Amino acid sequence: GQQVMQIPQYQHVQEGEDFTTYCNSSTTLSNIQWYKQRPGGHPVFLIQLVKSGEVKKQKRLTFQFGEAKKNSSLHITATQTTDVGTYFCAGPGGTSYGKLTFGQGTILTVHP
Amino acid sequence: EAGVAQSPRYKIIEKRQSVAFWCNPISGHATLYWYQQILGQGPKLLIQFQNNGVVDDSQLPKDRFSAERLKGVDSTLKIQPAKLEDSAVYLCASRQGKGTRGNTEAFFGQGTRLTVV
Repeated sequence: GQQVMQIPQYQHVQEGEDFTTYCNSSTTLSNIQWYKQRPGGHPVFLIQLVKSGEVKKQKRLTFQFGEAKKNSSLHITATQTTDVGTYFCAGPGGTSYGKLTFGQGTILTVHP
Repeated sequence: EAGVAQSPRYKIIEKRQSVAFWCNPISGHATLYWYQQILGQGPKLLIQFQNNGVVDDSQLPKDRFSAERLKGVDSTLKIQPAKLEDSAVYLCASRQGKGTRGNTEAFFGQGTRLTVV
């Protein structure tokens, strides 16, 4: 089945530093979603990208979808302690309509 | 709008016992998912329902796991008998859309943390 691979697995940053996580697929994705899971919490939807080369911004967060629609990235500028958590990308999982397959996630730790 | 409700929040059982989890999705959401999330990993899809029909259960260990969604609303996930490696958080999520290819976000419940001892 279709898989999305995410790197890095962990990222430790000082508050104020930037952070980027990458998501890669071996096959073309019709869309990709990003979720954030706070420690002890549940995944919460951040954004969906659909178009080739699409870039979307949410305050300090910038999301990109690759031209070939096989990769995506999430970049956080000037991290804050509130950014702590695990960031997941999720893509369609194959032929099943509406299937949502998650990557392994990137655990972000922000040191004050 | 009420969110996805799950119960119980926590469950501790001994291996070989059985356990059931309950999920009430957001009203009107046709798609319901059960995920298993082992500590430090991403959610792994166990089963996907579209209304009361199963769309995908390819990763559901059917010798011990079962799930149903009677009347296309609430759903239950059962494990019988449980093994130590079943210790995880079981997340239920729901989504609008009737057969669309991922055009809407998924809303997750708080999850049930299962510990098998």
